[in-house]
Amino acid sequence: AQTVTQSQPEMSVQEAETVTLSCTYDTSENNYYLFWYKQPPSRQMILVIRQEAYKQQNATENRFSVNFQKAAKSFSLKISDSQLGDTAMYFCALLLNFGNEKLTFGTGTRLTIIP
Amino acid sequence: GAGVSQSPSNKVTEKGKDVELRCDPISGHTALYWYRQSLGQGLEFLIYFQGNSAPDKSGLPSDRFSAERTGGSVSTLTIQRTQQEDSAVYLCASSLAAQLNTEAFFGQGTRLTVV
Repeated sequence: AQTVTQSQPEMSVQEAETVTLSCTYDTSENNYYLFWYKQPPSRQMILVIRQEAYKQQNATENRFSVNFQKAAKSFSLKISDSQLGDTAMYFCALLLNFGNEKLTFGTGTRLTIIP
Repeated sequence: GAGVSQSPSNKVTEKGKDVELRCDPISGHTALYWYRQSLGQGLEFLIYFQGNSAPDKSGLPSDRFSAERTGGSVSTLTIQRTQQEDSAVYLCASSLAAQLNTEAFFGQGTRLTVV
């Protein structure tokens, strides 16, 4: 069975600074997808960024980028120039490819951006 | 609709009563997922539908939980004889295809409180 671990329950950072959220996972599969989701107080989960395991290049979406280390099974999220609207819960998730459709989530990191 | 819609938004029920939670996925989305989010926890997978069939029910915590989907659209999650440990936010998500390399869109959830 696959597992996802987020070891930082809470983090805070000053506005405009850079913050990195950690995620490690475990799976015996070689092909999979990794995701970071954001959950603001509205409760609605929003996809931030995705990474295909077969791609060596780290995914980037504007201020959000990942550091994907496949051998180490590590998938961290870097938020640059953090903004007040980035305050939310952030969940790391793993999806195995082909036939196992359930997203496995970590327990989340509560990120607070301080004005 | 424009997004995934869940109703009710909040539900308070007495222990032992049955409850029904509803999810309206995005039109045309064939895959539908139910997750449970307890306080301070990540998302726990409950069940996944592809069309009207449920290939994976492995996450349903007990036989008090059941779900159905009709017409490849609306899904209902039913909890019979509710217990206090059922208190949680129940999240529904839908996606275009079973392979979640396409984005999964989440509803805002139903917060269930069993008193």
